[in-house]
Amino acid sequence: GDSVTQMEGPVTLSEEAFLTINCTYTATGYPSLFWYVQYPGEGLQLLLKATKADDKGSNKGFEATYRKETTSFHLEKGSVQVSDSAVYFCALSHLYDKIIFGKGTRLHILP
Amino acid sequence: SQTIHQWPATLVQPVGSPLSLECTVEGTSNPNLYWYRQAAGRGLQLLFYSVGIGQISSEVPQNLSASRPQDRQFILSSKKLLLSDSGFYLCACPSEGLAHEQFFGPGTRLTVL
Repeated sequence: GDSVTQMEGPVTLSEEAFLTINCTYTATGYPSLFWYVQYPGEGLQLLLKATKADDKGSNKGFEATYRKETTSFHLEKGSVQVSDSAVYFCALSHLYDKIIFGKGTRLHILP
Repeated sequence: SQTIHQWPATLVQPVGSPLSLECTVEGTSNPNLYWYRQAAGRGLQLLFYSVGIGQISSEVPQNLSASRPQDRQFILSSKKLLLSDSGFYLCACPSEGLAHEQFFGPGTRLTVL
């Protein structure tokens, strides 16, 4: 079945560092890909998405590109802030189907 | 716009006690509804989903059950809680007009002692 694998955390970076969180997937067909973010004590929020190959999703300085050839959707940000500290989930879904999440990566940003 | 309410926000229960968590949705009709659990070190696990009143699909065998008595109400229950039921429970529905995406409620943190 479909699955999502993302890098284990926690990831600890200094403020203004470059961030990459790796995500790869296994799926039939052409799923949509997502990054969700969970800030401390809160539910999940959609951070960005891409619905077809080579699409780039972006939001709040974060970017991820749908790479069909490598089945990847890595999350990047050029300069992280303390407020980016959260848990990040990579996910995929097919139309009208449930979402399949990765296990999440906890990110700590040090001032 | 959509709103998901979850009640209660936090709960501490002894082992063996019953459980009832409620999720209600506003701003959409006849939505698919989902219950997820987030346990420490285990990511986000889909527990149940429902495509309509009285229709429940279970994703994993467990100590929990779900019911959908009304179109916009989804309830997660247990007759006897286990320690392993501790976690953060999230209710979700498809984002309005966007069949691929899901919109999440604020969650209920359950601690079983």
